[in-house]
Amino acid sequence: DQQVKQNSPSLSVQEGRISILNCDYTNSMFDYFLWYKKYPAEGPTFLISISSIKDKNEDGRFTVFLNKSAKHLSLHIVPSQPGDSAVYFCAASTTGNQFYFGTGTSLTVIP
Amino acid sequence: DTAVSQTPKYLVTQMGNDKSIKCEQNLGHDTMYWYKQDSKKFLKIMFSYNNKELIINETVPNRFSPKSPDKAHLNLHINSLELGDSAVYFCASSQPGTGTEAFFGQGTRLTVV
Repeated sequence: DQQVKQNSPSLSVQEGRISILNCDYTNSMFDYFLWYKKYPAEGPTFLISISSIKDKNEDGRFTVFLNKSAKHLSLHIVPSQPGDSAVYFCAASTTGNQFYFGTGTSLTVIP
Repeated sequence: DTAVSQTPKYLVTQMGNDKSIKCEQNLGHDTMYWYKQDSKKFLKIMFSYNNKELIINETVPNRFSPKSPDKAHLNLHINSLELGDSAVYFCASSQPGTGTEAFFGQGTRLTVV
């Protein structure tokens, strides 16, 4: 039973444009949400997070939005750069003791 | 200075063999995990240890046995390997509590032939 879902397996965006990656979850007990970036043959690396008490968190080119009523979060990357090409995983946790991951979205930024 | 390191990076073995994957973290975290990424790319938790004690054991065959000699190490031993065990296995660690992230190792690609 997958509690975190990323319904878009892939996304292609032109360099300089906005990339929007989406994630849905089912468990209302999740209180912390994270985005990870993964390059081939490497482990996922933490990118940005948001607490359930907020609806937006921004870090440079990366912004995460949380809509608790819709159980939906999104990652915005603007402007997108070729180096952003990677697989992005959405994750959610309760009290930080267990992290549930989505299946990832492969982002390709076209120069 | 790698925060979470796991060895080996690649492992090719025959069906029926027993193998181990080692994981060490130097972050001082109390919690360590094993995740499996299968062919569908889904990152699924297998085990979670907090301070050497098992706290999460998802529905994993008992051929998989984690061992935590101390809180900085969490090794994964797999008995009687099957073709379906082929996957990438990731070790991770975190500090318990809200607002923390997990740090991952580079992964071990296990191929059972």
